Amino acid sequence: DSGVTQTPKHLITATGQRVTLRCSPRSGDLSVYWYQQSLDQGLQFLIQYYNGEERAKGNILERFSAQQFPDLHSELNLSSLELGDSALYFCASNRDGDQPQHFGDGTRLSIL
Amino acid sequence: DQQVKQNSPSLSVQEGRISILNCDYTNSMFDYFLWYKKYPAEGPTFLISISSIKDKNEDGRFTVFLNKSAKHLSLHIVPSQPGDSAVYFCAASANWGYQLIWGAGTKLIIKP
Repeated sequence: DSGVTQTPKHLITATGQRVTLRCSPRSGDLSVYWYQQSLDQGLQFLIQYYNGEERAKGNILERFSAQQFPDLHSELNLSSLELGDSALYFCASNRDGDQPQHFGDGTRLSIL
Repeated sequence: DQQVKQNSPSLSVQEGRISILNCDYTNSMFDYFLWYKKYPAEGPTFLISISSIKDKNEDGRFTVFLNKSAKHLSLHIVPSQPGDSAVYFCAASANWGYQLIWGAGTKLIIKP
């Protein structure tokens, strides 16, 4: 158990819809990262937050947004969903932006 | 533009023998490298890392070797055990606290 909690584990929705994925980092961790893993590929970095502030941005679409709240949990919002957004979405955390990152078990998003 | 490449999608090794997983990178700015292990339906779990100032790092049955001139690293598992069957990801960072760039993974199968 990494201590990083992601909910929900599975999400099935339709094209054009909007969903919110939630992540609770390990106790004491200030930095949260979001990754997308499409079928049989490596993880693609989306965005990083540190203590409530955006620290780094990767290949995140404009339809996607994220935030980190005062209690340090984070949410990833995906809107105007397309079939190609079907993927595993992982959240990771670490204490101070150091390595390694510790991962949750992911949210599997299926777009029908 | 794949900056981190794992060219073997899968590898099959006899239990008790050595498993060698390979990873190549193109970005000379990478200075930290990590190996993660992933079981189905779980998030990646950190295994071992190496800084670019070293050429070898050991942790129990796991050893990572880094050849900077060849931009190549490898993970050695000795002896291989059935529980080692998983997908192994190589990841790299240009700065200790920054985003990770991931390879596509190698599925390791340990045969009894």
